[in-house]
Amino acid sequence: DAGVTQSPTHLIKTRGQQVTLRCSPKSGHDTVSWYQQALGQGPQFIFQYYEEEERQRGNFPDRFSGHQFPNYSSELNVNALLLGDSALYLCASSLGRVREAFFGQGTRLTVV
Amino acid sequence: AQTVTQSQPEMSVQEAETVTLSCTYDTSESNYYLFWYKQPPSRQMILVIRQEAYKQQNATENRFSVNFQKAAKSFSLKISDSQLGDTAMYFCAFRRSYNTDKLIFGTGTRLQVFP
Repeated sequence: DAGVTQSPTHLIKTRGQQVTLRCSPKSGHDTVSWYQQALGQGPQFIFQYYEEEERQRGNFPDRFSGHQFPNYSSELNVNALLLGDSALYLCASSLGRVREAFFGQGTRLTVV
Repeated sequence: AQTVTQSQPEMSVQEAETVTLSCTYDTSESNYYLFWYKQPPSRQMILVIRQEAYKQQNATENRFSVNFQKAAKSFSLKISDSQLGDTAMYFCAFRRSYNTDKLIFGTGTRLQVFP
């Protein structure tokens, strides 16, 4: 059973560009959450998708947007990249009453 | 708003010894979950142990156990018989028990296990 998979693993972008990160949830999971982890910090919640809709959002600007597809996979889009967007982006999927989150290995985004 | 605080940026322990990582949190909720996650250099967050706030008994998973003090809002992790593979960042996390999957993380504790 494949766990949560994210692509790409590493990415370098220039300020002002746009980026799309992808996530495939653990088999059977219907909810995907995205987190940003800056160097030396704990992950910060960006938003969560369920049934192809954004269900909850953290304190991130509108430059951060997402999408969930019918197969539950998800994309995170960031527009007008800033140097401060450089971070590890983690995707987590969940299911069930306890809704335990399973994480992928993340995408390391570097903005130069 | 909920907050999670980990006051130990770094800890070290010798192999086979016991170490305790501290975590405090602040919330007005009465029902919630608390978690300890491990993040090795591979970057993937791995769930170590989970505690449901309504359960008085402390959770245990093999060499890992917690000391959950609800009134004090404290949630420490004890690692017994430490192994070299335990070397990692450890994050304490909080989640409300309803209508959300949102995890609120602390800033982490870097644990180094020495031979």
